[in-house]
Amino acid sequence: KAGVTQTPRYLIKTRGQQVTLSCSPISGHRSVSWYQQTPGQGLQFLFEYFSETQRNKGNFPGRFSGRQFSNSRSEMNVSTLELGDSALYLCASSLAGQSNQPQHFGDGTRLSIL
Amino acid sequence: AQSVTQLGSHVSVSEGALVLLRCNYSSSVPPYLFWYVQYPNQGLQLLLKYTTGATLVKGINGFEAEFKKSETSFHLTKPSAHMSDAAEYFCAVSVSNQGGKLIFGQGTELSVKP
Repeated sequence: KAGVTQTPRYLIKTRGQQVTLSCSPISGHRSVSWYQQTPGQGLQFLFEYFSETQRNKGNFPGRFSGRQFSNSRSEMNVSTLELGDSALYLCASSLAGQSNQPQHFGDGTRLSIL
Repeated sequence: AQSVTQLGSHVSVSEGALVLLRCNYSSSVPPYLFWYVQYPNQGLQLLLKYTTGATLVKGINGFEAEFKKSETSFHLTKPSAHMSDAAEYFCAVSVSNQGGKLIFGQGTELSVKP
């Protein structure tokens, strides 16, 4: 069974641009969550989608948004990029997003802002 | 609010020695607890989880952890370290009313000396 696939793996942008990251969950998984990982702040929850609906949201500005499609694939978008948005963005999927189910992570997209 | 504290950002052991990585959590409701490992340039891989039942949980690669409610701890151990165990380890908590959202500790980098 294929794991969680994130594309692209690496991305370089400049301040003020916008970016879209993609995540394909494990087949059959309906919940997709996104996390930001930085050396200073560690792993922080961005949001969770289940059945095309945002079910949970972390404490990030409105520049960070996401969506989920009917096939459970998800995208996250960051607009008006800032230097501090440089990070590893990780996507995770689980069967139904229940709290006792483990999250399965992709290898991430490393976003660098110049 | 839930939180996770990992004691020691860096731990160094000799090959063959006991590995002990400490994790304490704070939660007002019974938590679900997870340990993940991250190798360089990769995502997070699940080592083990505690949801309900037996408090001593065995995971992959010879790791185990014990849930101690009275101490609010979920320390990770391995009897004999191997060079391939060198990586960063994250403890995480989720709670029953927050879907798939995980709250992570700051991580512990494990070094293994030959």
